[in-house]
Amino acid sequence: GAVVSQHPSWVICKSGTSVKIECRSLDFQATTMFWYRQFPKQSLMLMATSNEGSKATYEQGVEKDKFLINHASLTLSTLTVTSAHPEDSSFYICSAREASDYNEQFFGPGTRLTVL
Amino acid sequence: RKEVEQDPGPFNVPEGATVAFNCTYSNSASQSFFWYRQDCRKEPKLLMSVYSSGNEDGRFTAQLNRASQYISLLIRDSKLSDSATYLCAVLAGTALIFGKGTTLSVSS
Repeated sequence: GAVVSQHPSWVICKSGTSVKIECRSLDFQATTMFWYRQFPKQSLMLMATSNEGSKATYEQGVEKDKFLINHASLTLSTLTVTSAHPEDSSFYICSAREASDYNEQFFGPGTRLTVL
Repeated sequence: RKEVEQDPGPFNVPEGATVAFNCTYSNSASQSFFWYRQDCRKEPKLLMSVYSSGNEDGRFTAQLNRASQYISLLIRDSKLSDSATYLCAVLAGTALIFGKGTTLSVSS
């Protein structure tokens, strides 16, 4: 099946710093990528949808100036958490979808962010 | 908004038991439905899609009831390795909306 990678797999940073997470589709072209966040014992919450070459669409309640998303190519999307705070500590997961299959999404392994 | 709801459990069952999970969704226009399995600190992995006619994959059976807006997952002959969190997901527009997940613990 299609493979999606994320980097880094975990990161610890100080409050106030910015953290960039990369999501790559390794063997297919991802026209659409999704970013989710999951707090302990909670569901995956969709943060934003990004289409290659256009601005991301953010879900209600997600600050677009805090969570910067760039989807500059068909194989790479990045999420930057700017001025991270302890409450941003979470499990961030991306998924990617090919243009040819509207239904199936392939998930990355996730990035665990801890903000001190 | 609670578009997709699941009983969080946990469901604690012995090996060999049959266990069923239900999930309700609020958007009657939803067209595609899925069950995912998520192990601790891992990404969700697609277990099976759910079709209107119901579908079976080995010990797993998924059903969709559009009239009542719920989907179900039946696991027969539970194995220790089935212990995980099971998430239902509904395709809403272009994005998947997940339930909180139901935790299953199978013991020997």
